[in-house]
Amino acid sequence: EAAVTQSPRSKVAVTGGKVTLSCHQTNNHDYMYWYRQDTGHGLRLIHYSYVADSTEKGDIPDGYKASRPSQENFSLILELASLSQTAVYFCASSGLGGSQNTLYFGAGTRLSVL
Amino acid sequence: GQQVQQSPTSLVLQEGENAELQCNFSTSLNSMQWFYQRPGGSLVSVFYNPSGTKQSGRLTSTTVIKERRSSLHISSSQITDSGTYLCAMVQNSNNRIFFGDGTQLVVKP
Repeated sequence: EAAVTQSPRSKVAVTGGKVTLSCHQTNNHDYMYWYRQDTGHGLRLIHYSYVADSTEKGDIPDGYKASRPSQENFSLILELASLSQTAVYFCASSGLGGSQNTLYFGAGTRLSVL
Repeated sequence: GQQVQQSPTSLVLQEGENAELQCNFSTSLNSMQWFYQRPGGSLVSVFYNPSGTKQSGRLTSTTVIKERRSSLHISSSQITDSGTYLCAMVQNSNNRIFFGDGTQLVVKP
């Protein structure tokens, strides 16, 4: 069974503080993604990575950094958290090609910036 | 503009009724995936369906690449089907994945 684990599951941060969200996958997948979901909306891609030590910008990268130190781990970093970054963040992984494109999601991290 | 459009935005059914959810995409793609999300929950893959028709129990997905659309049919809806259904399209050229905003389904007893 494919597995993606996120930590923490929820986080309260202060404006201007630093926040790090972590993601670990045991699927042996090359691709990993960070999405954010705002209430009542779909998912928007923040950053993704297709190989360790390399990250790519998604559709809404401003205010976020990403780090992929190994194939299994992918972090999302908010250097200066802002109110507008309050959302639920999902990490996902996928393989490459055909049905391996199937996305597997973590349980999500609910971030509240106050 | 948005790459993936879902309709309807929301849907309320009586238990036992059927539902048809639509997904239209603006660019060429190589595969389509449907997800189910419980309120406050994570996303679970329902179908990976690059083309044609697939069925799993009461759920049927049909993707027509040339017409740039995919549908999810739920027959004999149950209360436990309530939640949000999202479609996502994959561009195989770069493995980018684009999501629709979802259809919120409520099934009432």
